This record gives sequence, structure tokens and C-alpha cells, in this order.
Amino acid sequence: KQEVTQIPAALSVPEGENLVLNCSFTDSAIYNLQWFRQDPGKGLTSLLLIQSSQREQTSGRLNASLDKSSGRSTLYIAASQPGDSATYLCAVLYNFNKFYFGSGTKLNVKP
Amino acid sequence: NAGVTQTPKFRVLKTGQSMTLLCAQDMNHEYMYWYRQDPGMGLRLIHYSVGEGTTAKGEVPDGYNVSRLKKQNFLLGLESAAPSQTSVYFCASSWTSGIGYEQYFGPGTRLTVT
Repeated sequence: KQEVTQIPAALSVPEGENLVLNCSFTDSAIYNLQWFRQDPGKGLTSLLLIQSSQREQTSGRLNASLDKSSGRSTLYIAASQPGDSATYLCAVLYNFNKFYFGSGTKLNVKP
Repeated sequence: NAGVTQTPKFRVLKTGQSMTLLCAQDMNHEYMYWYRQDPGMGLRLIHYSVGEGTTAKGEVPDGYNVSRLKKQNFLLGLESAAPSQTSVYFCASSWTSGIGYEQYFGPGTRLTVT
């Protein structure tokens, strides 16, 4: 069974800091990897999707990288803001029907 | 575009009761999924569908049934609810774009079984 691990489980930083969230997976034969944001009591919002052939994707202050050989992805958030406070989840796709989710990193950005 | 919608948002059931959760998407996506989200367990796939009239089991299918009679709708049924089915249920849809199978999620249904 594929496993997806996110470390740390929780992170608290002051506003303005740059930060990195980690996602690791046991099977490197992935199709793509997707990062989500989840606000309390809400659904998941897609942030970035990286295909297995790509090394990184960028959207605004977010940059996601992928290293298949080491089974790792990182989500970099630049100049963090209180509005970035949420739980961030990564999901690894091995096929159209085999998505595996990490348990998430709960981020708190303090004003 | 409403995206992915779920009905109802909240529900409380007694053990043994039945109910159906409705998921609808207006993006013409082929694939649809039902997940449950539990503290410390992450999201786990219950059932999925690769097109109208098709369904298949995911990681935790026991106690649930699904149907996809129309492309835009995916129903999740609980025939005899149990307290272990207390969870938040999410529906998602996806399509094969040029960059892979990107999933879009609904807002969730919070179910409590007493």
C-alpha cells in the first residue's frame, strides 16, 4: 500500500516568513501530484498540480517541486500572510483511480 | 459554473437508518469519486466512477453503495448506518487535461451516526 507522509503535522510562523511544507511518498511510479488547501469546515481547493515529467510548478507566491527519484515534493510559500492559515494536503496519483492523500500540515501564520 | 456541489451539508442519523448523499458536477468530468475524511486518517477513497453507468470500489467500500445514472451525478448510499460511518464525506470529480487528472472537490457533508 502506497503511503504519503506530510511533515510537519503543524507549523506556526510569523507573518512574512518564507516556509516549506514537505510531502513524501513510498512508490516513485507516480502519474502526478496535487497540492490542496483546506480551510476549517470546508472542502479542498486545488493549488498546484505537477505531472511526473515536471520538476516544479508555480502560482503566485506558491512553488511546488517534485523529485520522483527521492519520493519527495515540497510546497514553498513566499512571504506568508495570515490568510495563508489553513491545512495543506498533498495527493499522489498513480492512476486515474488511485489517489493517495497525506494527513496534511496545519499552518498558522501569526500577524 | 457551480463546480462540484453536495447535498445535504449536514445530517444526523440513528444507527440502522439509511440515507443517500448526492453529488453533482457541471464541468462535464468523466471521473467522479467519494471520499471520507477522518481525523488522523486523511482522505480515503470509498467508491469511484469512470463514466456514466460505471462504478468501482475504492479503499474502504464496505457499508456503502453508489450509482451513476447520469454523467453529472454520483450518489452515495448508506443502507444501514453505523457509528463508524460518522465522518465528513467529500465528492470529487476529475478529467484528463493536458497536465494530468486534476481533482475538484465539493464542500463536504458532515454525517453523524448516533
